[in-house]
Formats: sequence, structure tokens, C-alpha cells
Amino acid sequence: NAGVTQTPKFQVLKTGQSMTLQCAQDMNHNSMYWYRQDPGMGLRLIYYSASEGTTDKGEVPNGYNVSRLNKREFSLRLESAAPSQTSVYFCASTEYANSGNTIYFGEGSWLTVV
Amino acid sequence: QKEVEQDPGPLSVPEGAIVSLNCTYSNSAFQYFMWYRQYSRKGPELLMYTYSSGNKEDGRFTAQVDKSSKYISLFIRDSQPSDSATYLCAMSEGGQNFVFGPGTRLSVLP
Repeated sequence: NAGVTQTPKFQVLKTGQSMTLQCAQDMNHNSMYWYRQDPGMGLRLIYYSASEGTTDKGEVPNGYNVSRLNKREFSLRLESAAPSQTSVYFCASTEYANSGNTIYFGEGSWLTVV
Repeated sequence: QKEVEQDPGPLSVPEGAIVSLNCTYSNSAFQYFMWYRQYSRKGPELLMYTYSSGNKEDGRFTAQVDKSSKYISLFIRDSQPSDSATYLCAMSEGGQNFVFGPGTRLSVLP
């Protein structure tokens, strides 16, 4: 039972390099999210996708782009990495229905920009 | 004022103690309340989920929601070293937006 799967788990980038974080969920959820988590800041929403074909900015979108490739996959791209983007990134997906509203997370991607 | 406040800790307790973790919030429209446990170098894991006010119990864990006071709590009975983690509260009005507390680090000492 995989849930939400992220790759890579660890990455070191040089300033100015680009990279894409991949995320896939197997729970047939409509909504998917990318968060970053920094010490003392908690989880901050970067982008989310309410459904296949739509994406919206969250609290901290600058420096990032996203692609909702299909219902299962939602990728996060750093076009020109900066040291301020050193963080832990979590992909998540939502199940919401008449019976409830919960969000499930992947295991995280640790990114260091030097 | 932040939308969700949570005591950041760290909180250290002896094994077997009862632990109380708390969050306060300002948005009266929140209806769904969650607690997540996050071990070091891992993603947040859904621990408890509650809709509206009331209590919910699952083994050693009890979640309480008091919407009139805008206050939620997670109680851990007979705490174990394996409960050592960061605990995040989360809330939602029912759509796609979730608000998270900053987390409380808990250490349960053998």
C-alpha cells in the first residue's frame, strides 16, 4: 500500500541548477499538494492542484513551477535553485467526501542548495 | 495572530505519563481537525481525525475538539518511548485548504 511516493529522497544542488521533484499517489485522490517544511516555520503550501488539469499558487510559490501530469502525478520544478530553497519538501494528496476531509503525505525530499 | 497556534515544546515526559498536546485557532469555520505524528526524517502520518466538536478515542490516543473555545487537544495515555516525535495539528473548513500548526516536539524518556 504505497500511498504517496516522492523521488528523490535526498538531493544536493548548486545555486542556479534546476531539478524536478516527482510525486505519485495511488489513492485515486483528486487534489494534490506541495509543501515545504522549515524549522520554526511549519508546513507552508507552495502549490496545489484541485484536480487534473488545474494548479494554483499557495503561500510561497516564488521560484517554483508545478505540473499535474495526470490524476496520479504532480511534479515540482525548481528552475534556478537558490540557497533559500534548501528545505524538506512534502507532496500530499487529499481525500474529501461527505464523510470527511483528510490529507496524506509522502515521506519527504531533502533538498540542499549550495 | 496566527491562524493556528501550538506550543512548540520541546516537551519531555517520563515513560507512562499522560501527555496533553494542544492547539488553538481563530477561524470558526474549521470543521475538520487532524493530528499528525512526524518521526525524524519522515513525513507526517495521520494519527487522529475528528469532525466538529467532541471526543474520539483510538487505543492510547484521545482527540478532543471544543469549537466554542476554538481549542483542540490530543491526549496520549501510558506514553511510550516510541511516541517520541513531533505532533502537528491540522484543520480544514472542508475544502482543499488545510492549515497546520508548527508542531510540538515530544520526547518520552525510558
